[in-house]
Amino acid sequence: AQKVTQAQTEISVVEKEDVTLDCVYETRDTTYYLFWYKQPPSGELVFLIRRNSFDEQNEISGRYSWNFQKSTSSFNFTITASQVVDSAVYFCACDGGYNKLIFGAGTRLAVHP
Amino acid sequence: SQTIHQWPATLVQPVGSPLSLECTVEGTSNPNLYWYRQAAGRGLQLLFYSVGIGQISSEVPQNLSASRPQDRQFILSSKKLLLSDSGFYLCAWSGTSGYTGELFFGEGSRLTVL
Repeated sequence: AQKVTQAQTEISVVEKEDVTLDCVYETRDTTYYLFWYKQPPSGELVFLIRRNSFDEQNEISGRYSWNFQKSTSSFNFTITASQVVDSAVYFCACDGGYNKLIFGAGTRLAVHP
Repeated sequence: SQTIHQWPATLVQPVGSPLSLECTVEGTSNPNLYWYRQAAGRGLQLLFYSVGIGQISSEVPQNLSASRPQDRQFILSSKKLLLSDSGFYLCAWSGTSGYTGELFFGEGSRLTVL
């Protein structure tokens, strides 16, 4: 069965700092997908990125970047020059089949002005 | 465009009372539907998922049940609530044609059992 570990429960940074959210996953599948979701204070989860297990290239989208390393079973998420609007709970997830996502416990990020 | 709505947004119920949370999806057909629970300080736990009308799979043994009476309606129920049922419940849907893995979540329902 899949398992996702987000060891950082809470992170607090000052605006403009870079911050990395860690994610370690476990799966026996040879083909799998990994995800990051953002949960702002409103509560609704917002999809950020999907990465399949065959593609280990890092991805950058604006201030967001993702580092996928199969060798260490990690899929870390970095926010560059953080902003107050980035304050949210961030969830890493692994696909468990039938689009069933297995989520980590989440990391609460607080960005202070 | 597709939308998903769930209600009520907030609910305070006494222990032993029944529960019914509803979720509907618009703008798509035959979606996969899901109920997740987010307990305080914990991650999202998958409770139920459904690939079609009347087809419900339970992920964890618990005091809750789910039903899908119509293609785009998903209901979470309990006959007698427990204190441990408190949490934030999220309904979600995903498409079935072509794999994306992306889930689309509703606004959530916060349940407090006293």
